[in-house]
Amino acid sequence: EIVLTQSPDFQSVTPGEKVSITCRASQSIGNNLHWYQQKADQSPKLLIKYASQSFSGVPSRFTGSGSGTDFTLTINSLEAEDAATYYCRQSISAPETFGQGTKVEIK
Amino acid sequence: EVQLVESGGGLIQPGGSLRLSCAASGFTVGNNYMNWVRQAPGKGLEWVSLIYSGGATKYADSVKGRFTISRDSSKNMLYLQMNSLRVEDTAVYYCGGTSSLDYWGQGTLVTVSS
Repeated sequence: EIVLTQSPDFQSVTPGEKVSITCRASQSIGNNLHWYQQKADQSPKLLIKYASQSFSGVPSRFTGSGSGTDFTLTINSLEAEDAATYYCRQSISAPETFGQGTKVEIK
Repeated sequence: EVQLVESGGGLIQPGGSLRLSCAASGFTVGNNYMNWVRQAPGKGLEWVSLIYSGGATKYADSVKGRFTISRDSSKNMLYLQMNSLRVEDTAVYYCGGTSSLDYWGQGTLVTVSS
């Protein structure tokens, strides 16, 4: 099983700041890494697919990068509505796995 | 517009069975890679099962032998048959479409308790 480890687990950020969340895979997964946002009491929503492709309708301040084992989700100029938990997920092989999540709080 | 709507959750005793359904609109279940993902109360996301467009299926070790994923292309529906339910299966269950999980339903709550 491929283990995905996100860091940090929690981040408290002032609006306007830049946020970086990393996801490290226990083995190479190419670009088969996706990022999701889950707000309180809502379903998860896709932000970035295949490491760096923005999903339709997602604000341009969300970007993804990386390949192999190291990936980063960047939120440029954080907005209050970005308060959420963010998850990475790999789809290269079953069992598919998620990272443990990173909670972003707005100061 | 793509919509996925889950149903079938509820309160069930340990050892019991439930069948979850996921109705799709604006999206063809039979032509796509479909997943079930669950989230226990206050916890993170856990992948449960998938069915490829070709029909092959995969399961998490925690549910293998107890859960069965299937689809009915004529009804554009995805299912999850859950047998021998355990307390630790308590979660919100989401269906999701495509390999990158572009689309998610709103979830259905399954509570396993005596």
